[in-house]
Amino acid sequence: GAVVSQHPSRVICKSGTSVKIECRSLDFQATTMFWYRQFPKQSLMLMATSNEGSKATYEQGVEKDKFLINHASLTLSTLTVTSAHPEDSSFYICSARDRTYAGSPLHFGNGTRLTVT
Amino acid sequence: AQSVTQLGSHVSVSEGALVLLRCNYSSSVPPYLFWYVQYPNQGLQLLLKYTSAATLVKGINGFEAEFKKSETSFHLTKPSAHMSDAAEYFCAVSGSGATNKLIFGTGTLLAVQP
Repeated sequence: GAVVSQHPSRVICKSGTSVKIECRSLDFQATTMFWYRQFPKQSLMLMATSNEGSKATYEQGVEKDKFLINHASLTLSTLTVTSAHPEDSSFYICSARDRTYAGSPLHFGNGTRLTVT
Repeated sequence: AQSVTQLGSHVSVSEGALVLLRCNYSSSVPPYLFWYVQYPNQGLQLLLKYTSAATLVKGINGFEAEFKKSETSFHLTKPSAHMSDAAEYFCAVSGSGATNKLIFGTGTLLAVQP
């Protein structure tokens, strides 16, 4: 089955530093990847749509300069949280859809637990 | 615009009892509908999907869901709950096409009592 690998699974950083999260589709190609954020005991909120070879599309209210997204290839998207603050602490999940067939479901990574101290 | 409403943020059933998790959708285009399960501190696993073929969809772990256009519903059921079914369940909707984003409901936490 389709696998999405997300790394790291957990990261602790200090306020003001930047953190990069990688999302890879291991056995399929994804023109589009999606980044979600999940607060404790809440649903997933779409942050942005990552488009291979072009700029990401951000949802309303998401700061594009703070959450930098790069989708350099058909199998890799990265999310960089810049100048992290404690309120950025959250569970970040990426997902991708196989571009080769219609109706392909989104496959999710196992998430990254970010803690900013 | 698309949205999903999950009725009941918490559902508790006894082991062996019927599981019914409710999901209603709103969509201006023919919807694709999904149910995902999430275990603590993990990503999401696809249980099943509806993509305009058969209205009764069977998924993994004995779950199934029925697409009812007249009721705009896509409820998830399982005849007999297992302890291992305790998790958070999310209903989601999207349009067709690889670039369509997936919109999630607020989730239902299923507890299974021994």
